[in-house]
Amino acid sequence: ETGVTQSPTHLIKTRGQQVTLRCSSQSGHNTVSWYQQALGQGPQFIFQYYREEENGRGNFPPRFSGLQFPNYSSELNVNALELDDSALYLCASSLYSGLQYEQYFGPGTRLTVT
Amino acid sequence: AQSVTQLGSHVSVSEGALVLLRCNYSSSVPPYLFWYVQYPNQGLQLLLKYTSAATLVKGINGFEAEFKKSETSFHLTKPSAHMSDAAEYFCAVSGSSNTGKLIFGQGTTLQVKP
Repeated sequence: ETGVTQSPTHLIKTRGQQVTLRCSSQSGHNTVSWYQQALGQGPQFIFQYYREEENGRGNFPPRFSGLQFPNYSSELNVNALELDDSALYLCASSLYSGLQYEQYFGPGTRLTVT
Repeated sequence: AQSVTQLGSHVSVSEGALVLLRCNYSSSVPPYLFWYVQYPNQGLQLLLKYTSAATLVKGINGFEAEFKKSETSFHLTKPSAHMSDAAEYFCAVSGSSNTGKLIFGQGTTLQVKP
């Protein structure tokens, strides 16, 4: 069984640029969540996608957007990058059973904005 | 609203000593509670979870946690620390909403001394 994978591992962008991060869900999982983890902090929920629809959003501005594809892989897009966007971005996939989720995290993408 | 407080950003123990990492939660609905571990430059790995079944939950690598509703606590313990336990530990809470959104604490760094 393949786990959650993310790409790229690291990237460096300049303030004002746009970035796309990618996530491949664990096999059979239909839900993906994205989290931002700033240095020395706990992860913060950005949003979640369930069957290609946004299913909950945290306190992040609209320049953070996402997509989920029919194969349940996902993208996180961030426009107009700011220095504070520098963080580890974690993707987590899960299977919604109608009772609860158990989220499986990928290794993350380290984004540095200069 | 839900929140998690991890008491102690750094905990240092000797190898073979008891590990105790503290977590208190606030939730207006019956919570689901989780402990995750993060090794350097890696994503999050689920150690254990509480989902309203047994109050004493056993996880991987010899860790366990006890849900105490009266104290709103979910402390993580391990009888005997091993050098490989050195990592960042996160407590997280999820309500019974249909998103499974996780709210994380700030994390506790566990140092294990030889």
